[in-house]
Amino acid sequence: KAGVTQTPRYLIKTRGQQVTLSCSPISGHRSVSWYQQTPGQGLQFLFEYFSETQRNKGNFPGRFSGRQFSNSRSEMNVSTLELGDSALYLCASSDGTVNEQFFGPGTRLTVL
Amino acid sequence: AQTVTQSQPEMSVQEAETVTLSCTYDTSENNYYLFWYKQPPSRQMILVIRQEAYKQQNATENRFSVNFQKAAKSFSLKISDSQLGDTAMYFCAFRSTTSGTYKYIFGTGTRLKVLA
Repeated sequence: KAGVTQTPRYLIKTRGQQVTLSCSPISGHRSVSWYQQTPGQGLQFLFEYFSETQRNKGNFPGRFSGRQFSNSRSEMNVSTLELGDSALYLCASSDGTVNEQFFGPGTRLTVL
Repeated sequence: AQTVTQSQPEMSVQEAETVTLSCTYDTSENNYYLFWYKQPPSRQMILVIRQEAYKQQNATENRFSVNFQKAAKSFSLKISDSQLGDTAMYFCAFRSTTSGTYKYIFGTGTRLKVLA
């Protein structure tokens, strides 16, 4: 099976812009979770989608939003970018149970 | 709210030696899952080992084993016969089993360097 893929791998944006990141889960996986990884903060949970519904949400401002399509692919959108949004954004897929999550390579977002 | 704490930001170990990475967590739940994930430099995060809280026996995967102390809420990872390929960030993670709470809580990570 193909692994979790994320596009694009690198992004450079300026403050105030918006950005959309994409994640394609492993075939058959219905759960997609998004994380923000920054040095010193570890992985911060953004949200999880399961069968097109947001099942859980972390403590991020409303500028961060997501959605999931019927084929389980997910997108994450960040509006009005701030310098502090610079991070590695990881997506992880699973079958939606307590089994392990499989991570993608991440999208490195730099906000100038 | 659950929390996961990794108190060792960086560690180093000589090749072939043994190293233990610490992780403590806080939860009021009785049943949950704990994980150790490895993130090699510029590579994808992968699962190292998983422990179900209801199992008393410590999980083992080849050179990786855990010391799970439920009462102390401690979940350390021991790497035996360290190899250069073990150089990576290691994250401890907690996952509730309560219905409706499916998110993982990760620690801040420990950067492990294996020295030749």
